[in-house]
Amino acid sequence: NAGVTQTPKFRILKIGQSMTLQCTQDMNHNYMYWYRQDPGMGLKLIYYSVGAGITDKGEVPNGYNVSRSTTEDFPLRLELAAPSQTSVYFCASSPDRFGSYEQYFGPGTRLTVT
Amino acid sequence: AQKITQTQPGMFVQEKEAVTLDCTYDTSDQSYGLFWYKQPSSGEMIFLIYQGSYDEQNATEGRYSLNFQKARKSANLVISASQLGDSAMYFCAMREYNFNKFYFGSGTKLNVKP
Repeated sequence: NAGVTQTPKFRILKIGQSMTLQCTQDMNHNYMYWYRQDPGMGLKLIYYSVGAGITDKGEVPNGYNVSRSTTEDFPLRLELAAPSQTSVYFCASSPDRFGSYEQYFGPGTRLTVT
Repeated sequence: AQKITQTQPGMFVQEKEAVTLDCTYDTSDQSYGLFWYKQPSSGEMIFLIYQGSYDEQNATEGRYSLNFQKARKSANLVISASQLGDSAMYFCAMREYNFNKFYFGSGTKLNVKP
């Protein structure tokens, strides 16, 4: 049972480059989330999705874009990378909006922008 | 205003003793959930315990219990009989069900001493 998978695990980008962080879940969850975690800090929500075709902004969406064409996939696009986007990125999913459903997290992608 | 406040950046506890990690929250949503996650040095996010805003009993999961004081808007995590493997970062999180937002605190780094 794979759960939530993220690729790549590590990436170094030059300023101004673009890239897509991939996230896939095999649990048929409707809700999916992207977070960033800066060193020594908690997680901040970038974008989330409540189902295929529906996305919404979180706390820190600037510099990022998302799409959700299928239930399984929720890629995060970085356009024109900046050093401030150096962080660890986590993708998460949950089965429903209400109740005790925690978020299931992927292993994270460590991104460095130089 | 901060949605989730964890005022203890770091804590030490002696092995086999109990420890309380503080968490206060701020929300106008009547329906919300409170979560605690553990993040070991390897980086993954591990779900520990959940408390719903309408739950009258404090949640317990093995050695973890959540001291929920709704009027004070606090949701402290109590770890009993600490083990060396409990050394990690601990994050308090809140999900606002009506606004479908998820917020994390800045974390508490717990060190368990032998």
